Amino acid sequence: QVQLVESGGGVVQPGTSLRLSCAASGLKIRNYGMHWVRQAPGKGLEWVALIWYNGDNKFYADSVKGRFTISRDNSENTLYLQMSSLRVEDTAVYYCARDQSAFDIWGQGTMVTVSS
Amino acid sequence: SYVLTQPPSVSVAPGQTASLTCGGDNIRSKSVHWYQQKPGQAPLLVVYNDNDRPSGIPERFSGSNSGNTATLAISRVEAGDEADYYCQVWVTSSDQGVFGGGTKLTVL
Repeated sequence: QVQLVESGGGVVQPGTSLRLSCAASGLKIRNYGMHWVRQAPGKGLEWVALIWYNGDNKFYADSVKGRFTISRDNSENTLYLQMSSLRVEDTAVYYCARDQSAFDIWGQGTMVTVSS
Repeated sequence: SYVLTQPPSVSVAPGQTASLTCGGDNIRSKSVHWYQQKPGQAPLLVVYNDNDRPSGIPERFSGSNSGNTATLAISRVEAGDEADYYCQVWVTSSDQGVFGGGTKLTVL
């Protein structure tokens, strides 16, 4: 069964850091680009970041550039999102998704709440 | 930055056809993807590359893309189609993904 499982979410204070993980099972992510997408409570989807299959290129939304870092460990079949200098407006469910031109496989999401 | 515009809501009676639009500057030059999201669930890809369907998605779901508007059509609408629908493109000039604001489909 093909599955992406996010973890690492939680409640943190503004200005702090958090690392999210996305573990894949039933597929080898080394062959694919991988994305992070987020959704603030009651709001729409927002693309966050993309990493190429080999990690050579990374792209970010303007809203997170310079604060978030996407990375991957293909040997562990896992995608990461290192988030720093967190802001209240980063509060959202964070999803990882496989890139096949479209985002064809999604995880169930992990909630990040940034609050003082 | 590139903007995708979707109507906030669309209502349709069961058995009818729902047309959900996604507007963007010269969107016909881009590949448009559509996602369905039901409450509490992750998004589900229903149409990719303008008009292709992933396996398992009913033929009732179809897409088109022309000029400045892409459209997701859902024929013979069922109660189970009630959800939020998002269009999405990849903007190569900025190497960024963009989602529309989403349309809530209500089945009357």
